[in-house]
Amino acid sequence: NAGVTQTPKFRILKIGQSMTLQCTQDMNHNYMYWYRQDPGMGLKLIYYSVGAGITDKGEVPNGYNVSRSTTEDFPLRLELAAPSQTSVYFCASILQGANSPLHFGNGTRLTVT
Amino acid sequence: ILNVEQSPQSLHVQEGDSTNFTCSFPSSNFYALHWYRWETAKSPEALFVMTLNGDEKKKGRISATLNTKEGYSYLYIKGSQPEDSATYLCAPPTSGTYKYIFGTGTRLKVLA
Repeated sequence: NAGVTQTPKFRILKIGQSMTLQCTQDMNHNYMYWYRQDPGMGLKLIYYSVGAGITDKGEVPNGYNVSRSTTEDFPLRLELAAPSQTSVYFCASILQGANSPLHFGNGTRLTVT
Repeated sequence: ILNVEQSPQSLHVQEGDSTNFTCSFPSSNFYALHWYRWETAKSPEALFVMTLNGDEKKKGRISATLNTKEGYSYLYIKGSQPEDSATYLCAPPTSGTYKYIFGTGTRLKVLA
């Protein structure tokens, strides 16, 4: 099993450009999450999904969009990149049930200049 | 938005010292509490998932306790080693949701 796979690993964007961060998991987990790492602030939840076709906002959703057309994939879309979106983005998934931990991908480092 | 507080924000200890830090959360609607270890330039790794009041978990030199009635969890590290240097995060989802909101973490530096 590959677990949670994120692509790309690194990306540099110009202000106003758009891109999609890819996340896929092969563990048949229902729930998936996108977080961003803010310096000194830990992890902030952007969006999450409890199943195909169902998504909901987290703490910092502005400037992002998500979709969940399959159980495996949960892409994160940035439409108009801004310098404030420079961050490391982590995708995570979890098997339904309180005794399960989150499984994280290796992260995507995004720089917007 | 669930208010999760971790203290202290950062901590420097000498190798061999034992240390502990706190995760505080609203006690109402408690569902579970997760602890993660997050090393620089890596992904967070799960340490413990705790669900019951009075729960105690142990993994090597690291242990955790949970008090759901008063809304806190303690993480203990016995005989700290330089490889324990990391940020320790907690996340307590509330009942009826799987919205994992993390605290800001405790950054531990163990000096050799």
